[in-house]
Amino acid sequence: DAGVIQSPRHEVTEMGQEVTLRCKPISGHDYLFWYRQTMMRGLELLIYFNNNVPIDDSGMPEDRFSAKMPNASFSTLKIQPSEPRDSAVYFCASSLTSGGTRETQYFGPGTRLLVL
Amino acid sequence: GQNIDQPTEMTATEGAIVQINCTYQTSGFNGLFWYQQHAGEAPTFLSYNVLDGLEEKGRFSSFLSRSKGYSYLLLKELQMKDSASYLCAFNQAGTALIFGKGTTLSVSS
Repeated sequence: DAGVIQSPRHEVTEMGQEVTLRCKPISGHDYLFWYRQTMMRGLELLIYFNNNVPIDDSGMPEDRFSAKMPNASFSTLKIQPSEPRDSAVYFCASSLTSGGTRETQYFGPGTRLLVL
Repeated sequence: GQNIDQPTEMTATEGAIVQINCTYQTSGFNGLFWYQQHAGEAPTFLSYNVLDGLEEKGRFSSFLSRSKGYSYLLLKELQMKDSASYLCAFNQAGTALIFGKGTTLSVSS
């Protein structure tokens, strides 16, 4: 299995621009998670989906952030407009349905976002 | 509320043993995870505890006390490649993990 795939791996943009991050989860995984990691705040959960349905988006910072999962193999996280404080590493992760170690989440390589 | 706490940094020497502690507060606890994250890379799964006690996996062991809201990760026979950040996380009723800020371990020769 190729693991969780994220694109782009690096993104540099200017304040005010729209940014779209993409994720392909591991085939067969029912859960997909978006996290943001910074030195100050650590790894924060932004939103997660179960069977393509958003379950908890309470971690989404504000209306500038939105996430979609149109099908089981693809999700996007969009920031519009972007701001310098959005600079972080954004991770996508996926997991099987709940139950013991099956709840283990597998992380993608991350997208390093820099907003100038 | 939810809270998870672990030391920010630790240092150790090759061949030594180090214990990284983690305390947490939550309702609906459903498991405690440890992840390893090397600089510039994604977190990777190390261990999972849902029952009290010690789980051993090679040089790494993880301990859980649910009544005390406490876990530790024990690393034996430290190697330089063990220099990384170690993230403690708990799982609630759903499957969303809540992570601590991580403990950065530096192993020197």
